[in-house]
Amino acid sequence: GQQVMQIPQYQHVQEGEDFTTYCNSSTTLSNIQWYKQRPGGHPVFLIQLVKSGEVKKQKRLTFQFGEAKKNSSLHITATQTTDVGTYFCAGPRNTDKLIFGTGTRLQVFP
Amino acid sequence: DTAVSQTPKYLVTQMGNDKSIKCEQNLGHDTMYWYKQDSKKFLKIMFSYNNKELIINETVPNRFSPKSPDKAHLNLHINSLELGDSAVYFCASSQGGRAEAFFGQGTRLTVV
Repeated sequence: GQQVMQIPQYQHVQEGEDFTTYCNSSTTLSNIQWYKQRPGGHPVFLIQLVKSGEVKKQKRLTFQFGEAKKNSSLHITATQTTDVGTYFCAGPRNTDKLIFGTGTRLQVFP
Repeated sequence: DTAVSQTPKYLVTQMGNDKSIKCEQNLGHDTMYWYKQDSKKFLKIMFSYNNKELIINETVPNRFSPKSPDKAHLNLHINSLELGDSAVYFCASSQGGRAEAFFGQGTRLTVV
């Protein structure tokens, strides 16, 4: 079945350092979505990428969709303590099923 | 107004009991999901409902049964609860399987 893996599983950074999480799918995706889950919270949608090679930015966050549409990355510049949480990528399988990646848990130390 | 609401937020119960978790969405979405999040934070899809019809049933035990009385509701009923069922269960909805998903607050189930 379709698998979506993320690395690293955990990342601890000092506030101000950059952070990147990578997402890899075993199959080509029609789109890739990114979610953030704060500790004790629920996943919240951040962004969706659709086109091959697409790059989108949201303030300090940069999202990229691979040329083959099988991988993606999320890069955070100059992390802040408010960035703490687990970041998930997600891709649709067929037309009616959203499969989530394994997640990357980010901890930011002040 | 809460877009996706699920109740209860916490559920502590003994092994062997039967319990239900309710989910409602007021977004007019046609697809609803149940996900299980374990202690390692993995989000595993359990069920997907589209227009009140179960379209994907993952390899979950048949002790778990989704019930959708209408397009806005997708409840999860669990029979004969086991220790391994302890997890956080999330309900979510979207306009089709390719659109962004909106999650409920989650139900933390603890089986003792």
